[in-house]
Amino acid sequence: KQEVTQIPAALSVPEGENLVLNCSFTDSAIYNLQWFRQDPGKGLTSLLLIQSSQREQTSGRLNASLDKSSGRSTLYIAASQPGDSATYLCAVTLNTGNQFYFGTGTSLTVIP
Amino acid sequence: DTAVSQTPKYLVTQMGNDKSIKCEQNLGHDTMYWYKQDSKKFLKIMFSYNNKELIINETVPNRFSPKSPDKAHLNLHINSLELGDSAVYFCASSRGQRNTEAFFGQGTRLTVV
Repeated sequence: KQEVTQIPAALSVPEGENLVLNCSFTDSAIYNLQWFRQDPGKGLTSLLLIQSSQREQTSGRLNASLDKSSGRSTLYIAASQPGDSATYLCAVTLNTGNQFYFGTGTSLTVIP
Repeated sequence: DTAVSQTPKYLVTQMGNDKSIKCEQNLGHDTMYWYKQDSKKFLKIMFSYNNKELIINETVPNRFSPKSPDKAHLNLHINSLELGDSAVYFCASSRGQRNTEAFFGQGTRLTVV
């Protein structure tokens, strides 16, 4: 069974700092990995999708990397802003299935 | 235009009642899902449908019954609601059975009193 863990559970940084969120998964036979953002009381917003054959994806100030063999992904946020404050979730899909296995989430607070 | 829309956004109801949550997607996707987010914010799959056919049915009480009248809609009906059913329920869709990018609805916060 796939287990997805995110560290840290909570992170607080001053505005302007670069930061890294971590995601690890136990079964490396993944089809893809997706990073989401969830704002309080809101749904999930897709940030980046990495296929298993890819090493990284970039969108604006966000960069996600994937190391399938070690079961890890990171989400790098450059020059953080207060508007980045949210919970960040990673989710993986296995080669053998079609559901997302979600991580436990990292709650990010960017202090102005 | 909202890609994946759920109604209602909030639902407060008494134990024992039967309620439904509706979900519609206008993305032309073939696959739709229901996820449950518990009080610890952990998201877990409940059901998955592809072209109106049930693909995934996780260990969910049979009081929960999904209905897909067409591939753009996946509704969730819950019978005999219990206190433990209180959670946020998210509908989502993706292009195919092999998950491509998934799009989520805004969630339905269900409170059973």
